[in-house]
Amino acid sequence: EVQVVESGGGLVQPGGSLRLSCAASGFTFSHHWMSWVRQAPGKGLEWVANIKQDGSEKYYADSVKGRFTISRDNAKNSLYLQMNSLRADDTAVYYCARAEQGRYSDYWGQGTLVTVSS
Amino acid sequence: QSALTQPRSVSGSPGQSVTISCTGTSSDVGYYNYVSWYQQHPGKAPQLMIYDVSGRPSGVPDRFSGSKSGNTASLTISGLQAEDEADYYCCSYAGSYTLLFGGGTKLTVL
Repeated sequence: EVQVVESGGGLVQPGGSLRLSCAASGFTFSHHWMSWVRQAPGKGLEWVANIKQDGSEKYYADSVKGRFTISRDNAKNSLYLQMNSLRADDTAVYYCARAEQGRYSDYWGQGTLVTVSS
Repeated sequence: QSALTQPRSVSGSPGQSVTISCTGTSSDVGYYNYVSWYQQHPGKAPQLMIYDVSGRPSGVPDRFSGSKSGNTASLTISGLQAEDEADYYCCSYAGSYTLLFGGGTKLTVL
């Protein structure tokens, strides 16, 4: 069974940093693009970042470019999102998702909540 | 990059059909045949319902169908059931491995 499980969310002050992790199982992780998608409280979905199978290509939404870094460790079947210079409007549930060629996400985790507040 | 445009809400009675529209531009929806649709129940993770405009993942009922004309994609749900009540989001590939989501549509089954 395909599973992706996020962790690492929590409360952080504005300007702070946080690293999210996503543990994948049930599929050959190294064969798939992966994505991060977020959802602010009561709001819609927002694509955050994509990463290619071998980690050689990474793409970001303009809203996080230069502040967030997506990475992966195929030996550990894990995806990461390093978030720096966090702002209040980064507050959201962050979802890890398996991405088919970077075009759509067919399996999603349950999400991890990041709250940026003083 | 602006979000794709969806109606805030739609409604229908059990057994009826509803269509949710998703309007983008000639740089995203109109250019690529890579529109996907997601269903999200309150407090749950999104679930893929349609990919590549009209593809349906295994396990998704054939009551759900997708189409596209010009810069507008559509999700049609026929034979509405109570469990279809949820939020629906469209998403389009926008080039350079970037994605755009719509603002979401709340479907109410009357």
